[in-house]
Amino acid sequence: SAVISQKPSRDICQRGTSLTIQCQVDSQVTMMFWYRQQPGQSLTLIATANQGSEATYESGFVIDKFPISRPNLTFSTLTVSNMSPEDSSIYLCSVETSGNTIYFGEGSWLTVV
Amino acid sequence: SQELEQSPQSLIVQEGKNLTINCTSSKTLYGLYWYKQKYGEGLIFLMMLQKGGEEKSHEKITAKLDEKKQQSSLHITASQPSHAGIYLCGAVRNTGKLIFGQGTTLQVKP
Repeated sequence: SAVISQKPSRDICQRGTSLTIQCQVDSQVTMMFWYRQQPGQSLTLIATANQGSEATYESGFVIDKFPISRPNLTFSTLTVSNMSPEDSSIYLCSVETSGNTIYFGEGSWLTVV
Repeated sequence: SQELEQSPQSLIVQEGKNLTINCTSSKTLYGLYWYKQKYGEGLIFLMMLQKGGEEKSHEKITAKLDEKKQQSSLHITASQPSHAGIYLCGAVRNTGKLIFGQGTTLQVKP
């Protein structure tokens, strides 16, 4: 299994500001991903965080809005830039372990006011 | 329509009763995950199914994968209040990437 810690767990942000979410895994993993869960909805994949190279974004998500870093095999950050109320969501980090099982972090619940 | 459909969308059962949640895919299933989520929190891994006909159990929860029907079911036996939450199925679409159903909200009345 994998233990995934996310920070912050919750935050209230002013519109127009940016917030960086951290994801720390207790073991080295090849694949790390970031998802968004809007209120009352299911999860949508934002991007794959690639170690040592630019993230791979899904359709509808762009690097300028959601810059991602992956400096090593246990850590990644997602920044939500120039936030608006529509960005109010739970943001979740996930990893695929060497056993091909996908685990999720505890989530970061952002409210933009 | 959604690529992955869950039914029912919500469920209220009396403690001790059995229940089943279904997850149907419009595409071939290469792997299927079940998670549980408490409101506003992260996803708790329940089970992963990879082969047609595969069935896994953990405590009072059993999940099956019917590859031919492109469907999976999650069955809870003798439900307890601790089983309450949102159950999500996720289908593997590419290495590590999941597409999710809309979720099933379960309430268990004591």
